[in-house]
Amino acid sequence: GIQVEQSPPDLILQEGANSTLRCNFSDSVNNLQWFHQNPWGQLINLFYIPSGTKQNGRLSATTVATERYSLLYISSSQTTDSGVYFCAVKRSGGSNYKLTFGKGTLLTVNP
Amino acid sequence: DSGVTQTPKHLITATGQRVTLRCSPRSGDLSVYWYQQSLDQGLQFLIQYYNGEERAKGNILERFSAQQFPDLHSELNLSSLELGDSALYFCASSVGGQGGYGYTFGSGTRLTVV
Repeated sequence: GIQVEQSPPDLILQEGANSTLRCNFSDSVNNLQWFHQNPWGQLINLFYIPSGTKQNGRLSATTVATERYSLLYISSSQTTDSGVYFCAVKRSGGSNYKLTFGKGTLLTVNP
Repeated sequence: DSGVTQTPKHLITATGQRVTLRCSPRSGDLSVYWYQQSLDQGLQFLIQYYNGEERAKGNILERFSAQQFPDLHSELNLSSLELGDSALYFCASSVGGQGGYGYTFGSGTRLTVV
């Protein structure tokens, strides 16, 4: 099946710092989503971004499908940004409709 | 509120018991997916239903079963529970059967088996 690798596995920031999270995937995809799992376990959908660039407030994401990677940018980080960030993809074609998740990046933002 | 409703939010039960987790998809979505998140396995796909029919199976144990009803809500049944079944169980929904417009996740059910 498709492989999804996220880096870094852990990241510690001071409030106000910027960060870039990376997601590499091993096959062509027609769905890529970034999620934030908060300390209560909720999975919050950040971006649906199989290609191109999107921005939402302090967060933005870019997917270069031809090179099989996606980046999530967090600017002016806040303590509420803490949690695990997951990248999830769905391989193009075939009959497999599941999302495959990476292992996540654990982000800790200190005040 | 994502629009995907999961109940209950928390469940504590004993080994050997059986539980049912319920999911109501977002309005208009025909597909329902179940995922299990455990500490050692990460987020694993269990099973997908589309408009009442099973569409795809992942790493779902034989002790687990699911169904999707005519009103499109889905239930995940876990039986003969073991300590290792303790996990967060997520339901997700999408418009079509291929998730082409993204998947929306519910808040999850935290199952603790004691």
